[in-house]
Amino acid sequence: EIVMTQSPVTLSVSPGERATLSCRASQSVSSNLAWYQQKPDQAPRLLIYGASTRATGIPARFSGSGSGTEFTLTISSLQSEDFAVYYCQQYNNWYTFGQGTKLEIK
Amino acid sequence: EVQLVQSGAEVKKPGESLKISCKGSGYNFTRYWIAWVRQMSGKGLEWMGIIYPGDSDTRYSPSFQGHVTISADKSITTAYLQWSGLKASDTAIYYCARHTDGSADFWGQGTLVTVSS
Repeated sequence: EIVMTQSPVTLSVSPGERATLSCRASQSVSSNLAWYQQKPDQAPRLLIYGASTRATGIPARFSGSGSGTEFTLTISSLQSEDFAVYYCQQYNNWYTFGQGTKLEIK
Repeated sequence: EVQLVQSGAEVKKPGESLKISCKGSGYNFTRYWIAWVRQMSGKGLEWMGIIYPGDSDTRYSPSFQGHVTISADKSITTAYLQWSGLKASDTAIYYCARHTDGSADFWGQGTLVTVSS
């Protein structure tokens, strides 16, 4: 099983600042990597697929990068609605999620 | 508009059976895989298995194989997740989600399953 490790577990950032979230795969997943956002008591929402392609309706402040084993989700200027938990997920070999990064207001 | 609407919350006793549902609409239900994802309280997301409603091809995560059954009825555009013998450890929120090329682009609202004696 491919293990996905996200860091940090919790990230404290002020509104308007940039947030950088990391995701590492235990073996190469090529670009078969997605990012999801989950707010309390809501279902996850797809943000990024193919490591860097924004899903429909996702604001341009969200961007994804990386390939192989190292990936990054960047939120360029945090809005109040962006504070949530973010998960990466690989779909190169079955499907596995990272444990999540909680993005909280500093 | 693509929608996945799940059945309501359930409270069951250990050992009981349960089948929850996920009804798709707004797209060709037979052409997309549907996944089931578990989220235990305060925890992360776990992929349980997927089904292709067009031909009922079903695949399970090794962690869930043998403990749950995934099925679909394409005539009513509905996917199902069922248990034949619930355990307290099955208490969780269960989501269905539509797959597009590996990622899950639409999600149901979740079904809370509580198993308690």
